[in-house]
Amino acid sequence: ETGVTQSPTHLIKTRGQQVTLRCSSQSGHNTVSWYQQALGQGPQFIFQYYREEENGRGNFPPRFSGLQFPNYSSELNVNALELDDSALYLCASSLDRGPTDTQYFGPGTRLTVL
Amino acid sequence: AQSVTQLDSQVPVFEEAPVELRCNYSSSVSVYLFWYVQYPNQGLQLLLKYLSGSTLVKGINGFEAEFNKSQTSFHLRKPSVHISDTAEYFCAVSTLRGTASKLTFGTGTRLQVTL
Repeated sequence: ETGVTQSPTHLIKTRGQQVTLRCSSQSGHNTVSWYQQALGQGPQFIFQYYREEENGRGNFPPRFSGLQFPNYSSELNVNALELDDSALYLCASSLDRGPTDTQYFGPGTRLTVL
Repeated sequence: AQSVTQLDSQVPVFEEAPVELRCNYSSSVSVYLFWYVQYPNQGLQLLLKYLSGSTLVKGINGFEAEFNKSQTSFHLRKPSVHISDTAEYFCAVSTLRGTASKLTFGTGTRLQVTL
């Protein structure tokens, strides 16, 4: 069984640009969640996708959007990048979307916005 | 609203000594609690979780945690730490936000193990 993978590992962008981060969930996992972890902080919930539809969102603006595909891959898109978007972005996959379903995290993508 | 407080931002400890990392939570609904560990430049790895039943939960790498409902705490313990336990530890509560399950994390505790 393969774990959760993310690409790229690191990314540098400039303010105003757009970025796409990718995640590959564990096989069989219907749910993927994305988190933003600023330096020295705990991860913050961005949104969750269940069976290819957005299932819930945290306190993030609409310029943060996502997609989930049938092959267990997913994307996080961020438009109009701001300096405060610099963070580690983590995806987590789980079998289902309930609060007792364990979320398994990938290694993250480190985004730097200059 | 749910929240998690990790009272210690850093905990220095000598190798082979016991350690306790403190976590307090607030939640108005059913409580499901998790501890994750994050090694440098890596993602989060699940250490253990409390869903229901026995309040003493055993996890990987010799860690255990005790759920205390009256004190709203879920402290993590290890009787004897190793250098390799040096990492950031996060306590989290899992709740439903509409139909989505979200983890709310504390700010983390940095465990520094030295010889």
